Amino acid sequence: GAGVSQTPSNKVTEKGKYVELRCDPISGHTALYWYRQSLGQGPEFLIYFQGTGAADDSGLPNDRFFAVRPEGSVSTLKIQRTERGDSAVYLCASSPGTNSEAFFGQGTRLTVV
Amino acid sequence: TQLLEQSPQFLSIQEGENLTVYCNSSSVFSSLQWYRQEPGEGPVLLVTVVTGGEVKKLKRLTFQFGDARKDSSLHITAAQPGDTGLYLCAGNSWGKLQFGAGTQVVVTP
Repeated sequence: GAGVSQTPSNKVTEKGKYVELRCDPISGHTALYWYRQSLGQGPEFLIYFQGTGAADDSGLPNDRFFAVRPEGSVSTLKIQRTERGDSAVYLCASSPGTNSEAFFGQGTRLTVV
Repeated sequence: TQLLEQSPQFLSIQEGENLTVYCNSSSVFSSLQWYRQEPGEGPVLLVTVVTGGEVKKLKRLTFQFGDARKDSSLHITAAQPGDTGLYLCAGNSWGKLQFGAGTQVVVTP
C-alpha cells in the first residue's frame, strides 16, 4: 500500500528488554514524526526527522529512547531497558514538508509486562 | 504540560444537536490542524488553517483560526453518530507538530 506502515502492530515484551519499532513512511516524504499515545489522550511528541537528521528530539523522555533514519526513509525507534510505563501506542507519521498534512500509520501497541 | 489545551475533554450529545470544541494556546503557530481519530487507528487530517481569522467549512464542520493564530474552534452542525471520535488539534511550529489532549465526542442516535 501507499500509506505509512508500522511494524509490528503489537509487541509484548518483558520489563528490562530491548525493543525496536519500525516505520515505513510514504515514499518521498521528507518529514517523519514519532509520537506516543496513551488511551484517551492526544499523541505526545517524541522526535521529528527532516531527511536523515533529527530536527527536534526534545520529546524523547530519557536516554533509553533513541531513533534513527539513516537513509532518510525508514525509521526505527529503539527502547532500551523497557519499563512498564513505556506501555503505549507508538505512532509514526510522515509529511511531504512543513505545514503539510501528516499521514499516520496505525501504530504499534507496546505492552511491557 | 500540554502546549495546546483542548476543551471540553469529553462531550456526549444526541444526534441532530450542534457542538463546539476549542483549542487554546499561549503560543503562536504557523498553522494549526484538526484531526479525527477512531479507536485502533491513527489520526486523520480534517483541515489545516494558516491565516489568522480564517474560517473553513467542510460539509457540517466549521473551523475557525483565531486572529492571533493561538486558538481555534471546531463547530459541528446537526451531529451524526458517524461524527463520534477523538478530535485533536495540532499546532505546527518550525515543522514540529504538537497535539492537544483531544476532545472525545460521542453522538448517540
